[in-house]
Amino acid sequence: GESVGLHLPTLSVQEGDNSIINCAYSNSASDYFIWYKQESGKGPQFIIDIRSNMDKRQGQRVTVLLNKTVKHLSLQIAATQPGDSAVYFCAENMAFSGGYNKLIFGAGTRLAVHP
Amino acid sequence: NAGVTQTPKFQVLKTGQSMTLQCAQDMNHNSMYWYRQDPGMGLRLIYYSASEGTTDKGEVPNGYNVSRLNKREFSLRLESAAPSQTSVYFCASSDIRAPFMYGYTFGSGTRLTVV
Repeated sequence: GESVGLHLPTLSVQEGDNSIINCAYSNSASDYFIWYKQESGKGPQFIIDIRSNMDKRQGQRVTVLLNKTVKHLSLQIAATQPGDSAVYFCAENMAFSGGYNKLIFGAGTRLAVHP
Repeated sequence: NAGVTQTPKFQVLKTGQSMTLQCAQDMNHNSMYWYRQDPGMGLRLIYYSASEGTTDKGEVPNGYNVSRLNKREFSLRLESAAPSQTSVYFCASSDIRAPFMYGYTFGSGTRLTVV
């Protein structure tokens, strides 16, 4: 059964509407950010990424906005579909010497799309 | 190309029993990670291996041990399972080549219940 998503903030939207999922990150030195989608019973899957030298990046139906001043990241999904229902995680990357990278994950937001 | 493969997918243990969760990746990635995911808690890092031959503790290492058997395989062992270790466990891997791209590739998870 569904265990991921319990007690997480939930965004409920109507099919066809646009969705905006927000995330606050913690480290001003983070250089790279990723949004993941996790469907029930599956591992997180990469959706879109953005580097710290950018403010906006667009993919297919998805846009990520980065505001470094307030350490805020958002994911916009256009024309939300039932298949978009999932838990969405943001992650910030911290780079260490020697080439090692470490992702720090947010708690996640559950997106529920209603017909 | 299977990506990250975890076994088993489901497991029920009695308190005090031991078991090893297996993880293998076929992407020639240098770094591998073990996370646990509990309802409302997001992903928490248990252990990671930045490269073959090295392992380090993450946020919640107590009660676990790991082995980086070779570049492909990274196992997680519970020596004496406790009900608090009931969770979904994810293995992930990443490439350390600069620039860091696409984040981590996750396996499909192991659902562990300790009774």
